Amino acid sequence: AQSVTQPDIHITVSEGASLELRCNYSYGATPYLFWYVQSPGQGLQLLLKYFSGDTLVQGIKGFEAEFKRSQSSFNLRKPSVHWSDAAEYFCAVAVPNAGNMLTFGGGTRLMVKP
Amino acid sequence: KAGVTQTPRYLIKTRGQQVTLSCSPISGHRSVSWYQQTPGQGLQFLFEYFSETQRNKGNFPGRFSGRQFSNSRSEMNVSTLELGDSALYLCASSLGGGGARNSPLHFGNGTRLTVT
Repeated sequence: AQSVTQPDIHITVSEGASLELRCNYSYGATPYLFWYVQSPGQGLQLLLKYFSGDTLVQGIKGFEAEFKRSQSSFNLRKPSVHWSDAAEYFCAVAVPNAGNMLTFGGGTRLMVKP
Repeated sequence: KAGVTQTPRYLIKTRGQQVTLSCSPISGHRSVSWYQQTPGQGLQFLFEYFSETQRNKGNFPGRFSGRQFSNSRSEMNVSTLELGDSALYLCASSLGGGGARNSPLHFGNGTRLTVT
């Protein structure tokens, strides 16, 4: 079965600083990979996804993620963080022929210092 | 276009009772998935319905059940509530035909269930 690990439970960055959130997955092949963001009291919003092809994917709100097969990683990055980026971020995987069943990591809570 | 609507937003129940949560997907979406979110276990997949049929099921006891109607609206039911069922229940819809690759999930804001 697949699994997802987000090693950092909390991260604090200063506004304007760069950001990298880590995600490692375990699966026998390349799964479908996703990053979602959740603001307090809200549902999840899809930031970006990777299925195949170019390993650097662009998403909404200025986020990007890089798939590294050799490291089984799919890290999320943003060059300059804004205070409105403070939220919880979830990495997720899905596998072929499993419909919309996603396996989520434990999440990383991002705090932004002014 | 209206988003995914979940009702009610908040619910307080007593141990042993049962509860029904409702989800209205985005118009045209035929797949509805349910997830449980708790501080201890995180986000866990409950089940997915597509065209009124359960397509996938997570590792939850039989007390958790769901159904989907012909208009794609879905309900989930939890019987004999336990304290550990306190959670945010999230519903997500998608166009559905090809699974996660072909159509992204759109999440509702959830129903916060508290069991006392």
